[in-house]
Amino acid sequence: AQSVTQLDSQVPVFEEAPVELRCNYSSSVSVYLFWYVQYPNQGLQLLLKYLSGSTLVKGINGFEAEFNKSQTSFHLRKPSVHISDTAEYFCAVGPNAGGTSYGKLTFGQGTILTVHP
Amino acid sequence: EPEVTQTPSHQVTQMGQEVILRCVPISNHLYFYWYRQILGQKVEFLVSFYNNEISEKSEIFDDQFSVERPDGSNFTLKIRSTKLEDSAMYFCASPRQSGALNEQFFGPGTRLTVL
Repeated sequence: AQSVTQLDSQVPVFEEAPVELRCNYSSSVSVYLFWYVQYPNQGLQLLLKYLSGSTLVKGINGFEAEFNKSQTSFHLRKPSVHISDTAEYFCAVGPNAGGTSYGKLTFGQGTILTVHP
Repeated sequence: EPEVTQTPSHQVTQMGQEVILRCVPISNHLYFYWYRQILGQKVEFLVSFYNNEISEKSEIFDDQFSVERPDGSNFTLKIRSTKLEDSAMYFCASPRQSGALNEQFFGPGTRLTVL
């Protein structure tokens, strides 16, 4: 079984400031890790994913995340945010059972990022 | 980017009525998922469907729910006798079909309101 904890339910920040959205997970099996963004009244859009290899992954819109296996974390960062980054961000894990793995995703509770001018 | 479509975008129904939510996943995919997001809460897995059979389901997915692939392209979630607590956004998802990836592409969702 997997679980995901997003440590902050809301993160307010000023425009052009850096931001970090925290995510910790637990799992009894190897996992893939994802960050999704949900803009108001819209669906889920994939920001970035960690499958294997380099622990620092870059995604769309200038976001990046670092996988830390020892701390079971996958924090999302952006060095300078824009008003348009205001949205809800979800961390998710999926099982990596090797080969073709199509298990369900388990989501965290979400973090609402609000960027103020 | 691959596209998953869902209809309707918004469904309003009376408690006790049946609703059918439709999804057109990425073509030629055999694996489909339904997730639910109650307002203000996290996205929850409901069911996965592979090769015309339920592959996995959550405890939420009780006898009130059913999934079908009535034809080669559509994928439906039926909720019989809806309850107030079924009000939520329902998302269909379809994975990228290559290698060992589990990258799921989500549809825009159907907002179900049960009155």
